[in-house]
Amino acid sequence: KNQVEQSPQSLIILEGKNCTLQCNYTVSPFSNLRWYKQDTGRGPVSLTIMTFSENTKSNGRYTATLDADTKQSSLHITASQLSDSASYICVVSASWQNFVFGPGTRLSVLP
Amino acid sequence: GAGVSQSPSNKVTEKGKDVELRCDPISGHTALYWYRQSLGQGLEFLIYFQGNSAPDKSGLPSDRFSAERTGGSVSTLTIQRTQQEDSAVYLCASSHPSAEQFFGPGTRLTVL
Repeated sequence: KNQVEQSPQSLIILEGKNCTLQCNYTVSPFSNLRWYKQDTGRGPVSLTIMTFSENTKSNGRYTATLDADTKQSSLHITASQLSDSASYICVVSASWQNFVFGPGTRLSVLP
Repeated sequence: GAGVSQSPSNKVTEKGKDVELRCDPISGHTALYWYRQSLGQGLEFLIYFQGNSAPDKSGLPSDRFSAERTGGSVSTLTIQRTQQEDSAVYLCASSHPSAEQFFGPGTRLTVL
């Protein structure tokens, strides 16, 4: 069964600290993996996308890694800001019309 | 340019009523997706449109749910005889084929 799991379910950190969010998947075949940021009451916004051959992808203070062998991905946030408070969703695509969404990690950044 | 828009932003209805949710995709995007997000849950795929091809309806949870896409642009998701378990945020996304999806702000549906 195609599944995407994310951990932790929720996370609270202080402003300026770093954090790492985890994503494990069993989706097969694998096409690509995306990380989305979803602010409360808004639609998800793409942060990074990685294909099978890519190990890391950065977007500003966000860095995603992918280990296709172990089927794991992580999203590292550096020097967190209050505006980083959101849900972060890992999405694995088996094909260009077949997407499996993880449940998300709820991040709260406190001053 | 304009992003994906959805209307209404909020909809409160009584159990048993029909509702229509609208999605205006980004101009030129041939792919359109509908998702449902229940409180604290991940996104659940509902239906996918690509150009003039027959839609992929494999995610629709029951025959009370249907969707249309007129003229390859605007899409309407219809829920008939709404139930309380239909309460959720309904998200629409559009994209070029096999490209990144851009999401709308969603419609929050509450069935009383």
